[in-house]
This record gives sequence, structure tokens and C-alpha cells, in this order.
Amino acid sequence: QKEVEQNSGPLSVPEGAIASLNCTYSDRGSQSFFWYRQYSGKSPELIMFIYSNGDKEDGRFTAQLNKASQYVSLLIRDSQPSDSATYLCAVIHSGGSNYKLTFGKGTLLTVNP
Amino acid sequence: DGGITQSPKYLFRKEGQNVTLSCEQNLNHDAMYWYRQDPGQGLRLIYYSQIVNDFQKGDIAEGYSVSREKKESFPLTVTSAQKNPTAFYLCASSLYGLAGETTGELFFGEGSRLTVL
Repeated sequence: QKEVEQNSGPLSVPEGAIASLNCTYSDRGSQSFFWYRQYSGKSPELIMFIYSNGDKEDGRFTAQLNKASQYVSLLIRDSQPSDSATYLCAVIHSGGSNYKLTFGKGTLLTVNP
Repeated sequence: DGGITQSPKYLFRKEGQNVTLSCEQNLNHDAMYWYRQDPGQGLRLIYYSQIVNDFQKGDIAEGYSVSREKKESFPLTVTSAQKNPTAFYLCASSLYGLAGETTGELFFGEGSRLTVL
């Protein structure tokens, strides 16, 4: 069973601070990594994806990938109350001839005004 | 507008009954998926389908069945064999499968919340 682990939180940060969300994965052969945001009672939406080692920035969001350490993170700069949500890390890994997207349990982020 | 439509949004079932959750997409996506989410849990894959008339079991397929007779439709039946069916069910689609030319972006429906009485 391929594992994707996240700190369940909750993670609480003040408005304007940097929120740091972390994820580790067990399958060293995984190639593609994703962060989804899920507001309470709603369905997830993709906010970032990363394939290569290093950083990828999109507005206030930065995804960081370290394949050697099997670690992917999401940084949210200038956090806003509207960022309060559960953040799900997801990883594509191969299972023979099929590929599957496995989700972590998510980290609940609360941004306090 | 293109998207994924799940129905019903809320469903109550008595023990021993089968229920079918509908999922329809007009995005012309090849692949469709069913996930289950329990409180405080991530998404667990029930079934997925990469082409019409073909589907594969996910991690928790026992007690569930699906069909993919049309590209647009991927209904999920929760059978009486599923011992703990109360959960939030999410249907998703992606342009292609999860290999090859894909960002791996899944588009989700709004979900169906099933409660067993």
C-alpha cells in the first residue's frame, strides 16, 4: 500500500504569516505531486502541481519537492482568512500497468484575522 | 457550463438497501473516478475508469459496483454488502488517465452525502 502522510493539524497561523504544510510519501518511484484545497463541506480543487525537484511558485503559493527525501511541501505567503481550509497532498504512483492518485488525510489550516 | 454533476446531494438509506449515486460529466474527459471521504480522512479510491466499458477496482471496492456504458456517465451502486456506507462520496474526472499527457488534475463534483439509518 503506497502511503502519503500529512500532519493532521490543525495548523493555526495569524493573518499575513507564512503557512507551511508538509507531506511525505513512501513510493520512491512517484513522479507527480499535487496540492488540493478543500473547504468545509465542499469538494477539493487543485491549487498546485509539481514534477521536478526544487520550488515552483504561483502567486502566494510555493510548492517544494525533494525526491531524495520523499518530501513535498506547500508554503502560503501572506496568509488570508480565506485560505482557511483542509489541504490535501496527492501523489501519482504506478501499480503495474495502472497509475493511481493517492491522497493524504489532509492538514486543516486556520488563518486567524 | 462544463462540469460534473452528482445526484442526489443527500441520500438516506435503510440497512440492507442498495442505492445508486449518479455522476455525469460534460467535459469530454476520458477518465472518471469515485472516492469516499470519511470525517478527518483523506480521499480513498473506490473505482476508476479510463475508457468506456472498462473500469478497475481501487483500494476499497468491496461492497460497491460501477458501470461505464457511456463516456459521460459513471454511476456508483452502494450495495448492502458495504458494512459502513455512511460517508461523503466524490466523483471526479480527468482529461486523460493518470499517465501520459496529464497534469493529474481531477475535476470533482459537489459530492453526495449518504447516511444509513
